[in-house]
Amino acid sequence: SQQGEEDPQALSIQEGENATMNCSYKTSINNLQWYRQNSGRGLVHLILIRSNEREKHSGRLRVTLDTSKKSSSLLITASRAADTASYFCATVLFDTGRRALTFGSGTRLQVQP
Amino acid sequence: DTAVSQTPKYLVTQMGNDKSIKCEQNLGHDTMYWYKQDSKKFLKIMFSYNNKELIINETVPNRFSPKSPDKAHLNLHINSLELGDSAVYFCASSGYQGTQYFGPGTRLTVL
Repeated sequence: SQQGEEDPQALSIQEGENATMNCSYKTSINNLQWYRQNSGRGLVHLILIRSNEREKHSGRLRVTLDTSKKSSSLLITASRAADTASYFCATVLFDTGRRALTFGSGTRLQVQP
Repeated sequence: DTAVSQTPKYLVTQMGNDKSIKCEQNLGHDTMYWYKQDSKKFLKIMFSYNNKELIINETVPNRFSPKSPDKAHLNLHINSLELGDSAVYFCASSGYQGTQYFGPGTRLTVL
């Protein structure tokens, strides 16, 4: 089963609104990453948050991490039509040199112009 | 310059055929991966190679075999293709902290 589960599965908002996506995971992690996938394209890395961090910002993106609840959230502020994409969280666990990375099921975000 | 490239972009073939997908990265990364994304967008890791050694092999049928001629390449060979193999296959390489850099994907359709 998927390590990460995103919630909601789909989200539709108006341009200018904020979009919040949540991710829950099951095991210990070294870091958690968020990726975006535009239709028909490969995934693009957005932001990484380490297990000892609680919040991180990058432009209009804000990521939080609560390791006690094994959950993370991605906030996109002042959304634009170009933000329309699927968003995935991925957990990373370093294990004897390996970089086991497991993706969640994704949230499909639709931003209406 | 393309960081991670894979060919072909589209692959349409008959059941039972054998096919290969090629992947190359010019990022100097040590680890490369193959992922399968199904029609519901679930992304599942299939293989990863670190310094030419297979270090993760998920429960993938042995009809799938990764081949890495050197650190910059990780090709995927698929024998006796089945309908259920239809999906989008992504190659990726990882850098610092396990950040993944993805190729554009290969859409495989088995008829």
